[in-house]
Amino acid sequence: AQKVTQAQTEISVVEKEDVTLDCVYETRDTTYYLFWYKQPPSGELVFLIRRNSFDEQNEISGRYSWNFQKSTSSFNFTITASQVVDSAVYFCALSGNTPLVFGKGTRLSVIA
Amino acid sequence: EAGVAQSPRYKIIEKRQSVAFWCNPISGHATLYWYQQILGQGPKLLIQFQNNGVVDDSQLPKDRFSAERLKGVDSTLKIQPAKLEDSAVYLCASSLGLAGAYEQYFGPGTRLTVT
Repeated sequence: AQKVTQAQTEISVVEKEDVTLDCVYETRDTTYYLFWYKQPPSGELVFLIRRNSFDEQNEISGRYSWNFQKSTSSFNFTITASQVVDSAVYFCALSGNTPLVFGKGTRLSVIA
Repeated sequence: EAGVAQSPRYKIIEKRQSVAFWCNPISGHATLYWYQQILGQGPKLLIQFQNNGVVDDSQLPKDRFSAERLKGVDSTLKIQPAKLEDSAVYLCASSLGLAGAYEQYFGPGTRLTVT
């Protein structure tokens, strides 16, 4: 069975600090996809990134970066120089031969 | 490009009543999903459609929940009769294709409160 674990339930940082959100996954599929979604207070899930299991290159998009390591089954997300607008719940998700499975989410609060 | 539309945004009903939610996916998206998100948890898939056919409804409580996508575009999710534990946000999402390679785009959700 597929499983996603986000061990950090809540994180609070001061604006401009860097913060890393952890994601550990379990799957028996050889081909799978990992995702990060952001859920701001408005409630709508916003797609951030998709990674396939054959591409372990790290990715950077502005202040966001992602570190995918198959050896540790992790797909961590780092926000550099956090801003108040980054305050949201962030979900890591996994799909393979089964539908998308979400972790429980990490609530990030960025304090001005 | 218009996003996924859902209505209503909020609904309050009493237990044992029925309720229906509507979803209009992004134009051209063949795959449509309904998720249930209970407070403090990640979304859980209820049902997945490919065009107007059901692909996966293994987690749909079929004794009280039903869903349809008759013309392969809009979809409705119904609960009858509702229970207190059905209080949650119901999210609709759509994607271009069925495989996990396609990202899903989510609507704003319908917040259901059952009293």
